Amino acid sequence: DVKVTQSSRYLVKRTGEKVFLECVQDMDHENMFWYRQDPGLGLRLIYFSYDVKMKEKGDIPEGYSVSREKKERFSLILESASTNQTSMYLCASTSAGQETQYFGPGTRLLVL
Amino acid sequence: QQQVKQSPQSLIVQKGGISIINCAYENTAFDYFPWYQQFPGKGPALLIAIRPDVSEKKEGRFTISFNKSAKQFSLHIMDSQPGDSATYFCAASIFSLSGNQFYFGTGTSLTVIP
Repeated sequence: DVKVTQSSRYLVKRTGEKVFLECVQDMDHENMFWYRQDPGLGLRLIYFSYDVKMKEKGDIPEGYSVSREKKERFSLILESASTNQTSMYLCASTSAGQETQYFGPGTRLLVL
Repeated sequence: QQQVKQSPQSLIVQKGGISIINCAYENTAFDYFPWYQQFPGKGPALLIAIRPDVSEKKEGRFTISFNKSAKQFSLHIMDSQPGDSATYFCAASIFSLSGNQFYFGTGTSLTVIP
């Protein structure tokens, strides 16, 4: 079974803090994705990576950055957290050319 | 703009009834149309999927109907059960050797009343 794990289920941070969200997958997938999920807006793509050291902006990259130093790990960084980044963050992975994405359980982030 | 439009945003169905969720797309390059199911506190998981050369796909109580000319597809849940209560996302993807591109609808929150 494919397993995608996210470092935290819940996080509470203060405005201006630097926040790291970690995602690890155990299936040697090339492609990894970060989404945020908000009611009524669905899943919006923040960043994705097709391979190690590669990154591409998604639809809403502003205020975020990513790091992919190892194939199995994809980190999402909020350089200076703001209240409008309060959301559910979902990581997903898939093999190159594969059509099914495998999602982690999500991290619910609250920025005060 | 939203590449895949989904409706309704929420749906309440009696146990045993039929739940229907609709999606529409514009990009004819899409070549795969999955539906994901998400329970509270969990990430989305693939439920059922269809390719555009097929008009219908059925897996148990779940059926996708696909209308290529209208660029619409829908999920039908027959004999809906309280355990089906979840959020459902339609999606569309474009194949690429380096990595597919994925686009999601805005989600439908389904509640099945006992």
